[in-house]
Amino acid sequence: SQTIHQWPATLVQPVGSPLSLECTVEGTSNPNLYWYRQAAGRGLQLLFYSVGIGQISSEVPQNLSASRPQDRQFILSSKKLLLSDSGFYLCAWSVQMNTGELFFGEGSRLTVL
Amino acid sequence: GDSVTQMEGPVTLSEEAFLTINCTYTATGYPSLFWYVQYPGEGLQLLLKATKADDKGSNKGFEATYRKETTSFHLEKGSVQVSDSAVYFCALSAYGNNRLAFGKGNQVVVIP
Repeated sequence: SQTIHQWPATLVQPVGSPLSLECTVEGTSNPNLYWYRQAAGRGLQLLFYSVGIGQISSEVPQNLSASRPQDRQFILSSKKLLLSDSGFYLCAWSVQMNTGELFFGEGSRLTVL
Repeated sequence: GDSVTQMEGPVTLSEEAFLTINCTYTATGYPSLFWYVQYPGEGLQLLLKATKADDKGSNKGFEATYRKETTSFHLEKGSVQVSDSAVYFCALSAYGNNRLAFGKGNQVVVIP
């Protein structure tokens, strides 16, 4: 069966520090991968998605970047965190076919102080 | 752009009560519509979906009907249980590649 892992689960970082959140998927190949963010009082916002290794699409301009160095690995990064980067980050995967079904990880809560 | 609006605020109700969570959408085309649920300590998971007008999605006693004339996809359950306590998200897919636009979510608390 397929599983998705995200880490770390909780992170507290000072403003201006770097960020790296990792996500890996097991039990499937060539998935679509997604990073979503949920900020306080707001819905889930799609940040990045990827349909293959090295292929990253950004949905909103921001202080973050994403990379997909391997088929089942998706990394969210920042060189210098802002207070506004605080939130709950969710990684998800889907099959290539457009079914609308996403499989989510348990999320990473980031607090920037 | 395409978006989803959910009713404001958490929902608190007693066990066996009727649950309705409102969801309306704005889309230029004919999107597919979804309800996702997030149980405490877990990731989101798909609850039900509908891909065209007048379709009814159903699962675990929950239902939602795709209403094109009112651009709505309200979630209902006739008799809730404590185990239904969770956050419920309405979403639409209009862009391909499984890119979903989500609503803000509604916290549902069912009291014994």
